[in-house]
Amino acid sequence: AQSVTQLDSQVPVFEEAPVELRCNYSSSVSVYLFWYVQYPNQGLQLLLKYLSGSTLVKGINGFEAEFNKSQTSFHLRKPSVHISDTAEYFCAVDTGGFKTIFGAGTRLFVKA
Amino acid sequence: ETGVTQSPTHLIKTRGQQVTLRCSSQSGHNTVSWYQQALGQGPQFIFQYYREEENGRGNFPPRFSGLQFPNYSSELNVNALELDDSALYLCASRTGGDEQYFGPGTRLTVT
Repeated sequence: AQSVTQLDSQVPVFEEAPVELRCNYSSSVSVYLFWYVQYPNQGLQLLLKYLSGSTLVKGINGFEAEFNKSQTSFHLRKPSVHISDTAEYFCAVDTGGFKTIFGAGTRLFVKA
Repeated sequence: ETGVTQSPTHLIKTRGQQVTLRCSSQSGHNTVSWYQQALGQGPQFIFQYYREEENGRGNFPPRFSGLQFPNYSSELNVNALELDDSALYLCASRTGGDEQYFGPGTRLTVT
């Protein structure tokens, strides 16, 4: 069975500072990995995805993530955050079948 | 905008009642999944429909059921509502590939 652990429930950071949101997963088979963002009272928006190939994945809004198979991690990074990045971020895994497993989420709070 | 819509936006029901939530997918998206997102948690997979047949289910009781229609719309039905069913319900559609497109969700409150 697959599982996803987001290591930080909340991450406060000042505007223009770098940020890393951590995600570890567990799976006995190859997985697809995703990061989603959820703004208040909205659905999920895909930030980026890793399917195969290059382990550094670039997404929308200046975010990127690195797939590390040996550490089973898929941490999300942004070199300089904005107030508008304040939101809930979800890491997710999918084995290519029908079920996507989500982490519990990390609330990113960007302070002025 | 993902092209996936859900209705209603908000809903209040009483314990024991039944509810139907609706989702309209993008044209050509033959796979739809439903998720329950309780407050402060990540989405939990309820089930998935492919070409109008359920082809996967999460750890939810049979009182959660669904339908998918040929016009790319779908429904989530919940019978005998319980207080713990209060959550945001999300539908997501795809063409069978890797990327899911999520709707904005329906916020269900059970009192």
